[in-house]
Amino acid sequence: KAGVTQTPRYLIKTRGQQVTLSCSPISGHRSVSWYQQTPGQGLQFLFEYFSETQRNKGNFPGRFSGRQFSNSRSEMNVSTLELGDSALYLCASSLSGMRYNSPLHFGNGTRLTVT
Amino acid sequence: GNSVTQMEGPVTLSEEAFLTINCTYTATGYPSLFWYVQYPGEGLQLLLKATKADDKGSNKGFEATYRKETTSFHLEKGSVQVSDSAVYFCALLDAQGAQKLVFGQGTRLTINP
Repeated sequence: KAGVTQTPRYLIKTRGQQVTLSCSPISGHRSVSWYQQTPGQGLQFLFEYFSETQRNKGNFPGRFSGRQFSNSRSEMNVSTLELGDSALYLCASSLSGMRYNSPLHFGNGTRLTVT
Repeated sequence: GNSVTQMEGPVTLSEEAFLTINCTYTATGYPSLFWYVQYPGEGLQLLLKATKADDKGSNKGFEATYRKETTSFHLEKGSVQVSDSAVYFCALLDAQGAQKLVFGQGTRLTINP
């Protein structure tokens, strides 16, 4: 069974640009969550999608957005990139979300560097 | 708000040593508690979990007990191996079902042969 797949693995962007990251969940998983990992702030929750609807959102500015498609694949977009957006972005999928004790399975992440 | 505090790293031990990584939490209600492990270049893997007070989670020789009275969930292993070298994260899930994990800052563990 394939795991959570995130593409691309590495990305270098310039300040002011926008970027789209992709996540393919484990087959059958309907919940996809996104987390940002930085050395200074650690792991922080961005948002969670379930059946194409955003179900929960963290404390990030509106430049961070996401969506989920009917096949449960998810994308997140960051517009007007800032240097502080440099981070490892982790996607995690689960059958139905953690409220129902469904464990999260993480991908290997996309490393975004903003110059 | 909810928060998790882990012991400062990095932690360096010799193979076969006893490991303890401290974790305490602040939360309303009774959150579920987790330990995740991150190997170099990889995402996070669930190591173990406990969903109520006095529960003991265990996996691959690691153990942690949910202590409500001390709001703690310390990770222990009796005899570590070089392959245990990784970053370990303690996390909680909001008891109100907020669908998100709140992580500690992580503890980098290095095991020397």
